[in-house]
Amino acid sequence: LAKTTQPISMDSYEGQEVNITCSHNNIATNDYITWYQQFPSQGPRFIIQGYKTKVTNEVASLFIPADRKSSTLSLPRVSLSDTAVYYCLVVASAGNKLTFGGGTRVLVKP
Amino acid sequence: EAQVTQNPRYLITVTGKKLTVTCSQNMNHEYMSWYRQDPGLGLRQIYYSMNVEVTDKGDVPEGYKVSRKEKRNFPLILESPSPNQTSLYFCASSQGGAVGETQYFGPGTRLLVL
Repeated sequence: LAKTTQPISMDSYEGQEVNITCSHNNIATNDYITWYQQFPSQGPRFIIQGYKTKVTNEVASLFIPADRKSSTLSLPRVSLSDTAVYYCLVVASAGNKLTFGGGTRVLVKP
Repeated sequence: EAQVTQNPRYLITVTGKKLTVTCSQNMNHEYMSWYRQDPGLGLRQIYYSMNVEVTDKGDVPEGYKVSRKEKRNFPLILESPSPNQTSLYFCASSQGGAVGETQYFGPGTRLLVL
């Protein structure tokens, strides 16, 4: 499984865009990039998943460059309720394990 | 409402006293798994199950047992709990395997082993 590296923490302000970059240098051809969000004392919640280029849903966008060695989760116009830990995962297409790294703790300030 | 439920939510026990944490999902999902979350170590997978009567070890299975007799239930069993099993436990389920399928997590069970 490809190991991921992401910043430990980030601070932002309400209304700003937050971009979290995840490095996954050893990503395999069949691997997908998936992001989860976790609030304190709650289970993680799926945000977005992609394989290449750009994926957008109602919550976030995911940018994946051509070499796929990194990816960026973009949260537009964050609010206080977006304060959480965000996990970047690389998931094997034929696999059935999820390996979580340390995550990025995002603090949104008023 | 589609959900994963866990019971109990909080548990304090003593070393060696067998306990079971139940997990149930109402989405007819085939895949279920257990994780533990510890400060500084993130979430680590304990066991997973691809379907009824099919279970396999995750990354940290030592000291745990699971069973999958019914599709909706996936209990986690600690035969002889030890203090190093004090942790926050999450159960999760998804329709298929990990890729392409959203994992739905339960609310968590906070366990303290004295």
